[in-house]
Amino acid sequence: LAKTTQPISMDSYEGQEVNITCSHNNIATNDYITWYQQFPSQGPRFIIQGYKTKVTNEVASLFIPADRKSSTLSLPRVSLSDTAVYYCLVGPGRNTGFQKLVFGTGTRLLVSP
Amino acid sequence: NAGVMQNPRHLVRRRGQEARLRCSPMKGHSHVYWYRQLPEEGLKFMVYLQKENIIDESGMPKERFSAEFPKEGPSILRIQQVVRGDSAAYFCASSGQGGSQETQYFGPGTRLLVL
Repeated sequence: LAKTTQPISMDSYEGQEVNITCSHNNIATNDYITWYQQFPSQGPRFIIQGYKTKVTNEVASLFIPADRKSSTLSLPRVSLSDTAVYYCLVGPGRNTGFQKLVFGTGTRLLVSP
Repeated sequence: NAGVMQNPRHLVRRRGQEARLRCSPMKGHSHVYWYRQLPEEGLKFMVYLQKENIIDESGMPKERFSAEFPKEGPSILRIQQVVRGDSAAYFCASSGQGGSQETQYFGPGTRLLVL
């Protein structure tokens, strides 16, 4: 499985845009990139998933450059409730058999007033 | 439209006792995964099960730990003769299909404390 590297922590203020970058230099051709969010004392929650270029949903955007060796999770106009740990995961796509999700230590985002 | 259910949410055991953690997947999901999370660390995969079958248990400790997902009822993670090092949060996730790219939906976790 491709190893991922993320910043340990980030600080922001309410209303700002936050971009969290994840490096995955050894990503394989059929790997997808998935981001999860985890609040204290809760299980991780799926945020967004992508393969290439840009993916956007109601929560976030995911930017993936052409070489796919990194990806950036973008959270628009964060609020205090976005304070959480964000995990970047890389894993095989459909029909390639199960591969366990590998969580790193994630990025701790702290949003202040 | 219930999500993944886990119980109990908190479990206290003394060394040497048994711990049983239960997980009910989302409706319609037949794939269950168990993860363990130590404080300040990411989740570590333990086992992947489908109904009545263990598909991948490469993350399970060789001794004292077992998991099942019977045809009827919740998935059970069983820890025999618990030790203090077993204290952690145990999360269950479920998916509709088994590929890694399939979204896994996580439960709230069971926090096990071994005294």
